[in-house]
Amino acid sequence: NAGVTQTPKFRVLKTGQSMTLLCAQDMNHEYMYWYRQDPGMGLRLIHYSVGEGTTAKGEVPDGYNVSRLKKQNFLLGLESAAPSQTSVYFCASSLRPPSGGYTFGSGTRLTVV
Amino acid sequence: AQSVSQHNHHVILSEAASLELGCNYSYGGTVNLFWYVQYPGQHLQLLLKYFSGDPLVKGIKGFEAEFIKSKFSFNLRKPSVQWSDTAEYFCAVKMNNNAGNMLTFGGGTRLMVKP
Repeated sequence: NAGVTQTPKFRVLKTGQSMTLLCAQDMNHEYMYWYRQDPGMGLRLIHYSVGEGTTAKGEVPDGYNVSRLKKQNFLLGLESAAPSQTSVYFCASSLRPPSGGYTFGSGTRLTVV
Repeated sequence: AQSVSQHNHHVILSEAASLELGCNYSYGGTVNLFWYVQYPGQHLQLLLKYFSGDPLVKGIKGFEAEFIKSKFSFNLRKPSVQWSDTAEYFCAVKMNNNAGNMLTFGGGTRLMVKP
């Protein structure tokens, strides 16, 4: 039982390049989330999804796009990376509310130079 | 805007010392409350949660937290810390006016326990 799997674990991008982060969960969770973690700022929600085919903006959505074509996968895209997007990205999933909280992936450390 | 505050950014303790980490939130409605721990290089793991009932919640590894509704607080405690408790701790709040089950996280507290 893998839980939440994120790929890749590390990536270095040049400014202006694009990339996609993949999150996959095998727990049949309805809800999925993308957060970014920056020192002293905790985790901030980028986008989330409450079910297959649905997405919504979180607190810091600018510069990111997401897709949830399959229930088990939630993709985060950066169309034109900027140094301000250097961060650690965490994916999480949860059951419908009221649920016991999130299950997190192991994170992707992204550096934009 | 609704927010979660963790006032202690860095805490250094010796082994066997007692721990209390503060967490306050700004929202007047019903909340669900969580504490997560992140060990170095790892993902966040759930320590404990409060949904309803007894405001004193016991979690894993000897941690507990108390929900004080009048103070909008959910402080984390442990009577005697160990070196292995060195980690970053995050308080998170689900404000029950949100249909997306979204959690709002505090900025985190880095705990270092000296052996």
